[in-house]
Amino acid sequence: GESVGLHLPTLSVQEGDNSIINCAYSNSASDYFIWYKQESGKGPQFIIDIRSNMDKRQGQRVTVLLNKTVKHLSLQIAATQPGDSAVYFCAENILGGSQGNLIFGKGTKLSVKP
Amino acid sequence: NAGVMQNPRHLVRRRGQEARLRCSPMKGHSHVYWYRQLPEEGLKFMVYLQKENIIDESGMPKERFSAEFPKEGPSILRIQQVVRGDSAAYFCASSRNKVNSPLHFGNGTRLTVT
Repeated sequence: GESVGLHLPTLSVQEGDNSIINCAYSNSASDYFIWYKQESGKGPQFIIDIRSNMDKRQGQRVTVLLNKTVKHLSLQIAATQPGDSAVYFCAENILGGSQGNLIFGKGTKLSVKP
Repeated sequence: NAGVMQNPRHLVRRRGQEARLRCSPMKGHSHVYWYRQLPEEGLKFMVYLQKENIIDESGMPKERFSAEFPKEGPSILRIQQVVRGDSAAYFCASSRNKVNSPLHFGNGTRLTVT
């Protein structure tokens, strides 16, 4: 079965609010995690990644948090904008697995209301 | 700075025909990956290639599917004798020659088998 899953399949937020997208993973051997954004008709776009030796990593308006104790990953988007509307996927790479053999979750659809 | 280029964007094939999907990686990237995505699902890993070598084909169906990344030219994903179940979006990604280097995806080829 899927190693990576999401708590919420859809998320609707008001423009300007912060968004939090959650992801649970079951494989404790995973050592690298990535968040991707996919807009309709396009390929996944890299947002941010984090290695298992870190708990938090920040980018521009985005923060990824990793809680290895409960095998939980989250993506926080600050001041959400209409352009953030998309499907967000978390993905993991298992330690010892081949590079690029990512396991994707099913995705969370983020809708931003103006 | 061109990203990963895939063509064609849309491909329609009748059952039993062959489908050829092409992928040119980003400049400076020597690793190529193919993924398949069914509607409203996450991406599924198929194969990982470096120039002239298949590194990991654990996600590739054993029959009818093949992939190559020749010394010169794009990577090719070939599907022989297509069936309706092959209808999906096929995404190519590329990365640098570095462990846990992020994958950058193209916009995919949407294959429809009639």
